[in-house]
Amino acid sequence: EAGVAQSPRYKIIEKRQSVAFWCNPISGHATLYWYQQILGQGPKLLIQFQNNGVVDDSQLPKDRFSAERLKGVDSTLKIQPAKLEDSAVYLCASSLLAGGYNEQFFGPGTRLTVL
Amino acid sequence: GESVGLHLPTLSVQEGDNSIINCAYSNSASDYFIWYKQESGKGPQFIIDIRSNMDKRQGQRVTVLLNKTVKHLSLQIAATQPGDSAVYFCAEFGSWGKFQFGAGTQVVVTP
Repeated sequence: EAGVAQSPRYKIIEKRQSVAFWCNPISGHATLYWYQQILGQGPKLLIQFQNNGVVDDSQLPKDRFSAERLKGVDSTLKIQPAKLEDSAVYLCASSLLAGGYNEQFFGPGTRLTVL
Repeated sequence: GESVGLHLPTLSVQEGDNSIINCAYSNSASDYFIWYKQESGKGPQFIIDIRSNMDKRQGQRVTVLLNKTVKHLSLQIAATQPGDSAVYFCAEFGSWGKFQFGAGTQVVVTP
């Protein structure tokens, strides 16, 4: 079974530039998560989709971050404009079911450096 | 707000010894507690979980203990191997429907 795919793996940008990350979850998984992981910390949930609807985006800085999950499959996360404090690893995860506890599977992440 | 936290940032263990990683939580409404392993350059990987109505669960070389009285969770790794070197996170899942992670413990296995 193929895992969660993310691209790019690494990205370096200047502050105030824009950047986009892409995630392809495990086939058939209803729930998709985007996490931000700052060095030395645990992942922090940014946004959670069930199919193509948002169920939680309470910690997404909506003035600069946006995310979409078209057709309930792939997802993109965008930052515009980036700030220095956005330097982090952005993790995508997916789980089979919509709602309730079930195991989530993580992708390798995209390491973003903002200079 | 309520959160999951870890007692020790770094744990050094000799190869072959048992490892114990601890985690304190404060949200008594959590339904599940989960341990993840994260190797350098990779995403977190599920190790084992435990439901809140249990106090112990065993897997392959790993055991999770849950003490709800003191809101404490631990992960025991038997016969620690070099491949166990990683950062370990505990997380909780509750009726709010999302996972909340602690800060992590770095486990270093020495020969």
